[in-house]
Order: sequence, then C-alpha cells, then structure tokens
Amino acid sequence: GESVGLHLPTLSVQEGDNSIINCAYSNSASDYFIWYKQESGKGPQFIIDIRSNMDKRQGQRVTVLLNKTVKHLSLQIAATQPGDSAVYFCAEPDTGANSKLTFGKGITLSVRP
Amino acid sequence: SQTIHQWPATLVQPVGSPLSLECTVEGTSNPNLYWYRQAAGRGLQLLFYSVGIGQISSEVPQNLSASRPQDRQFILSSKKLLLSDSGFYLCAWGQGLEQYFGPGTRLTVT
Repeated sequence: GESVGLHLPTLSVQEGDNSIINCAYSNSASDYFIWYKQESGKGPQFIIDIRSNMDKRQGQRVTVLLNKTVKHLSLQIAATQPGDSAVYFCAEPDTGANSKLTFGKGITLSVRP
Repeated sequence: SQTIHQWPATLVQPVGSPLSLECTVEGTSNPNLYWYRQAAGRGLQLLFYSVGIGQISSEVPQNLSASRPQDRQFILSSKKLLLSDSGFYLCAWGQGLEQYFGPGTRLTVT
C-alpha cells in the first residue's frame, strides 16, 4: 500500500544551527500531514500540521514545507536547541480510512553542544 | 483542554500472565481511540482503533485484544503474554485527522 518514509535515520546538528528533517510520501492524494516529536521514553507530541492547499506553515521556531510536485515534506527547526533532540515522525491519513494515520519510520535528531 | 492518561507507566510481567492496560481521555466526547505498539528504536504499529463504544477494529493478528467499555476509556488486554509482547504501548485519541498521544506504558515480558 501507500507509505510515508524518511530519507535518513539520524541527523546530527550543532546547537544553534538550523535543522531540516525530510519526509517522502507516496500517496499523491494525501491532503494533510502532521509532524510529531517523540522524546525518549515519552509519547509522540504533535508539533505542526499542514494541509495540501498550503506550501508552507510556520510555528514557533518550526516551519513545515510541502512540495506536492515531488511529494516531499520537510520540517525545519530554527536555532536548534538541546531540547530538540528527539525522534521525529511525519504522518499522513491512511488511504483506507480517514480515522487512521500512516507514520513514517522516524528520524533521530541529535543536537551537539 | 483535553488530556489523556495511561497506566501503569511501566510494567514487568512473566510470560503467560494476563495483561490489562488502561487509557482514559478527559475533556472531549466521542473521540476516536487508538492503541499503538512501538518496539525499541522502531516506528509506531497500530494495533487497534475504535470510533465508538463497543466498536473495535483490529489491525494485526496478535495475542492482544482491546475493549471500549465507556466513551473515553480504552483497554488493552491479553490472557497470556508472550515475550514478543514486550514494547512501549501508546494510546492516542483523535477527532478528525489529528491524533494526540498519551505518555505510554513500557511493558517488559520476562
């Protein structure tokens, strides 16, 4: 079936630098995407979402970009901090049912002091 | 505001013993409810979801079952645990497309 995947399993960045986490999706009909952050030993936390009628959405220090042409989603974190260290997941609605989400495999962001 | 609770936070159980994990949601009504399992260093695997009281959909064949006795209560159970049931169990609630997760239960089957 359709899948959501992530390009890299880990990303290491220097504190203060900007981070970019990428996600590729295969369902061209997906109209909604979510980014989650999961800190060690905790449940995933909703960060930001975007609908397909938008190319960009900004939150506090985070920006999500959507490129529907190449089916690519990215999460940008400005001025990365040690507290940003976590696993990040992208998610899209399941093709079979709107009440379910399909999650990417997750990418670990490690912030170097 | 809405909150979601899971307990216990951690659990160590012997193989063959029963299991009951509970999840409750506050501050909303008629939510969709979900149970996920996450193996160490892995992604999220949807186990069950429910769109209403008594309505349970199972996503994968397994040793586990789920029940929803009340609108905002979701229970994950097993009659006899297997070693492979070890993992991090997450409950989530949602309305529409968004889902919000609880703190999780770390289950170790020995």
